[in-house]
Amino acid sequence: GENVEQHPSTLSVQEGDSAVIKCTYSDSASNYFPWYKQELGKRPQLIIDIRSNVGEKKDQRIAVTLNKTAKHFSLHITETQPEDSAVYFCAASPRSSGSARQLTFGSGTQLTVLP
Amino acid sequence: DTEVTQTPKHLVMGMTNKKSLKCEQHMGHRAMYWYKQKAKKPPELMFVYSYEKLSINESVPSRFSPECPNSSLLNLHLHALQPEDSALYLCASSHTPGTGRPGFGYTFGSGTRLTVV
Repeated sequence: GENVEQHPSTLSVQEGDSAVIKCTYSDSASNYFPWYKQELGKRPQLIIDIRSNVGEKKDQRIAVTLNKTAKHFSLHITETQPEDSAVYFCAASPRSSGSARQLTFGSGTQLTVLP
Repeated sequence: DTEVTQTPKHLVMGMTNKKSLKCEQHMGHRAMYWYKQKAKKPPELMFVYSYEKLSINESVPSRFSPECPNSSLLNLHLHALQPEDSALYLCASSHTPGTGRPGFGYTFGSGTRLTVV
């Protein structure tokens, strides 16, 4: 099965600086890579995703890059704000079986943005 | 409606009790999922339903019994749980691949925080 490793486990940055979180995956069949933000006591919320036929995707201050050859993908947050503080999870998903999409999550990164 | 609704939000149960968790979505998603999340850990997949049929059971103990009565509802029946089963139980749903919807519409509910005493 798929195995996803995520680094670092904790990350502190000054407000306005950039943050980068990296993940590697093991299953070359995986072709969908979402990133989730989870605030304390709340549900995981999708912030950005990328499919394997794309190398980079950007949405305002958030970007994701994918290197299929090396099997790693990264989340980049620019101009960080205190409200970006949360746990971020990467995930990988192999080609679907029927209508379903399994997600295997990384271990999470606690991002703290210091004012 | 773009939400997955889970009830109850909190549940405390004894090890001899029987209880059920409920999940509902009205987004037309035909895939529904149960995940278990322990504190400071990522969600772990338990069950996958595809077109109301169980398609994946990730070796979950039989004291957890899923049920999908129709395309909008997903239940998780609990019986004879152990204290180590205390966790946040998340339901999710998603679109069928190939519909062209971005992100497959993968949406998590707010979860049921379960405590087994």
